[in-house]
Amino acid sequence: DGGITQSPKYLFRKEGQNVTLSCEQNLNHDAMYWYRQDPGQGLRLIYYSQIVNDFQKGDIAEGYSVSREKKESFPLTVTSAQKNPTAFYLCASMTREGNTGELFFGEGSRLTVL
Amino acid sequence: AQSVSQHNHHVILSEAASLELGCNYSYGGTVNLFWYVQYPGQHLQLLLKYFSGDPLVKGIKGFEAEFIKSKFSFNLRKPSVQWSDTAEYFCALPDTGRRALTFGSGTRLQVQP
Repeated sequence: DGGITQSPKYLFRKEGQNVTLSCEQNLNHDAMYWYRQDPGQGLRLIYYSQIVNDFQKGDIAEGYSVSREKKESFPLTVTSAQKNPTAFYLCASMTREGNTGELFFGEGSRLTVL
Repeated sequence: AQSVSQHNHHVILSEAASLELGCNYSYGGTVNLFWYVQYPGQHLQLLLKYFSGDPLVKGIKGFEAEFIKSKFSFNLRKPSVQWSDTAEYFCALPDTGRRALTFGSGTRLQVQP
């Protein structure tokens, strides 16, 4: 079955450590996204990538970094510069065909900073 | 810039009650609108979408939404909720400049048996 796989599902981190969240898709979608979900704030866009080897900052990119070396993969690194990293992180993808705007989501990764 | 507002943050209903969740957007052009649902422990999934045509859109699990252009609204409705509808619901519209989706703050629906 096609879909988006995020790992790990749960991650604990000490302050000052960088962590990388994995996102892999086999939907053959060109565009991939990272959102952050906090209670009462909905989903906020961190980074997005429309094509391999290219990505852009979203609304809350500070303290995060990404790479897009392969079409299938879009890992997110939460750096020590992120002031409040405890959150639920969602990866998504979209096909560029048809311009439907519909996003497909992974199951998410919950990061807790101790 | 486009934005989406969901004014109901937490709704508690009894089974069989009717549901209406509000969604208002700000964008002057042609809009596509979405409702996503996040059941406990599950990934975010599409409930229904509006692109054009009939303003009354039907989705999965008996949900529907009505696009009212004059009110900039896309409210989600269900005539009779079930306990299994307990979830968080998000309204969204495309950010055409970035080819991403802009989401509302979400509404947590709790259905009591």
